[in-house]
Formats: sequence, C-alpha cells, structure tokens
Amino acid sequence: GQSLEQPSEVTAVEGAIVQINCTYQTSGFYGLSWYQQHDGGAPTFLSYNALDGLEETGRFSSFLSRSDSYGYLLLQELQMKDSASYFCAVGQAGTALIFGKGTTLSVSS
Amino acid sequence: DADVTQTPRNRITKTGKRIMLECSQTKGHDRMYWYRQDPGLGLRLIYYSFDVKDINKGEISDGYSVSRQAQAKFSLSLESAIPNQTALYFCATSDPLGQGGGETQYFGPGTRLLVL
Repeated sequence: GQSLEQPSEVTAVEGAIVQINCTYQTSGFYGLSWYQQHDGGAPTFLSYNALDGLEETGRFSSFLSRSDSYGYLLLQELQMKDSASYFCAVGQAGTALIFGKGTTLSVSS
Repeated sequence: DADVTQTPRNRITKTGKRIMLECSQTKGHDRMYWYRQDPGLGLRLIYYSFDVKDINKGEISDGYSVSRQAQAKFSLSLESAIPNQTALYFCATSDPLGQGGGETQYFGPGTRLLVL
C-alpha cells in the first residue's frame, strides 16, 4: 500500500522560517511534489524532487531523501499570504499522484 | 480563459439522483484526473485517464463512474448520489516534467456538491 504522513497544522509568525515534513511509504516511487492550496481555491504546484537534495525556488525550498523516504518543504521569510494548506504528493510509475492529507499553515503578524 | 474548467461550480441534489460533473481543458494534456476533497482528508483520487482510451480506478471509485469523451473532456458521474458524497470535487490535468519522471498537475476551480 501507499501512505504519506505530514503534520496537520503548523503556526508561525511573519518573517520566520517553517519546515513542513512529509514521510512516505510507496512502491515504484519516482518523486515527491508539493502543492499549495489557499482557502476556497484550487491546489497549485510548488515544487518537485526526483533526486536527493535541495531544490530552491525563491523563498520556498524542497528537500528529498530517498533512502529515508522523507522530504520537507521549507518556507522562508514568511508572509501572511503564505497562510494556506500544503500537500505533499508521491509519484509512482504508471499511476497518478497520491496526495497527503495536507498541512494547514497559519502565519500571524 | 481558464485552462481547466469545471461545471457546475456548485450543485445541490437529493439522495438517489444521478448527476454529472464536467471538466474541460485547453492545455492539450493527455492525462486527466478526478479528486474529491473532504476536510482533514486531503485530496483522494477517484478516477484517472492517461489518454482517451485509458480509464483507471483510483482509491475511492465506488459509487462513481467516468467518461473520457475527448482529449479535452473528462466527466464524473454519480449514478445514485448519497449524502456522504457531499464534498469538493476537483478535476486536474497533467504534463510530465520530463527527466526523472514526475508530473505537474493543473487543477480546475472545483465543484462544491451537496447531497441532501
């Protein structure tokens, strides 16, 4: 079977750094993706890691360790607009992405 | 114009009724998906299609059916709606990322369905 675990909620203040972890169990794994969803909106793609290491895109970075079946999304210089739900998703060869249950990030001033 | 559209955006129906949710895309992607979202449960895959002749069940396909009428259209049907199918439904399309596999999924705006 497949499973993904991520924290249900994270809180932080503006300007801080927050890390959202994701652990997974799946066969035929080929990559870990992250999506952002604002309240009432559709999920949007943030990042993808196929290889071990850190991928940086502006204030957001994503990390993957295939040997540990673990990844994280790092958000720096938090802004109020970063308040949203964040989903990790695993890709498997020949099938669709499977999403985690999501982490709700609340950023306060 | 939006690349992935869903109709209707909101729907209220009664138990036992048949309803259809429609999805259209102008991105030219072969792959299309239907997910449902419930509070605290994330996005759960209902059905997916990798091309017009390919239909696959997801993790929660019971009570649902789909039709891939064309590359651009993928419809989800609830043959006999029940209250626990009340949820937010998303259609998505995907574009392979290339090297290393993977894909970027593009979501429609969602359909809020209430089954009374």
